[in-house]
Amino acid sequence: RKEVEQDPGPFNVPEGATVAFNCTYSNSASQSFFWYRQDCRKEPKLLMSVYSSGNEDGRFTAQLNRASQYISLLIRDSKLSDSATYLCVVNGAGGSYIPTFGRGTSLIVHP
Amino acid sequence: ETGVTQTPRHLVMGMTNKKSLKCEQHLGHNAMYWYKQSAKKPLELMFVYNFKEQTENNSVPSRFSPECPNSSHLFLHLHTLQPEDSALYLCASSQGQGAQYEQYFGPGTRLTVT
Repeated sequence: RKEVEQDPGPFNVPEGATVAFNCTYSNSASQSFFWYRQDCRKEPKLLMSVYSSGNEDGRFTAQLNRASQYISLLIRDSKLSDSATYLCVVNGAGGSYIPTFGRGTSLIVHP
Repeated sequence: ETGVTQTPRHLVMGMTNKKSLKCEQHLGHNAMYWYKQSAKKPLELMFVYNFKEQTENNSVPSRFSPECPNSSHLFLHLHTLQPEDSALYLCASSQGQGAQYEQYFGPGTRLTVT
């Protein structure tokens, strides 16, 4: 099983739709979790950290489910500008502070 | 945004050339990273430096040689590369090397080996 797994997509949704991605991780000792966004041919940029209690930033909501070992990202009221690849990052498993990136999930928002 | 800068942005080199990639961070961070991103693959961590000391070498071939003269600068020296080394090379920094620290990436160097 891969350390961090994501459905590559693409997810094709119309503007205004709500879309959710999951990311599963294999090491139950993982300590921290992040979502990054990467536009085509650009660098990844931090979208949000994922806290145990879940957190929201505008139209974006991130949640952590430790029992099932996955994190999720929910995007409400999708905008054309949300089109990008969303990368899941997991860190801190077994005392190793090496971030592990997922392959990313591609989102395409169309008019 | 100029938090993490990388030069050059594009590089084409032959297999017998020697070149260097440069990364500079202006964020006051203590940890710096080199990543390789190939098409349709997840980011691959190559090296980690924390307070100028190398803390991780992820089984990277010796034709890639990192150098970290201080906490703000990171280099990747390249020699006798192979065509399969063509990729986007990303530099990142974080406040420290701990699980809680998010990373900030530079724009990358797109490398083509001919």
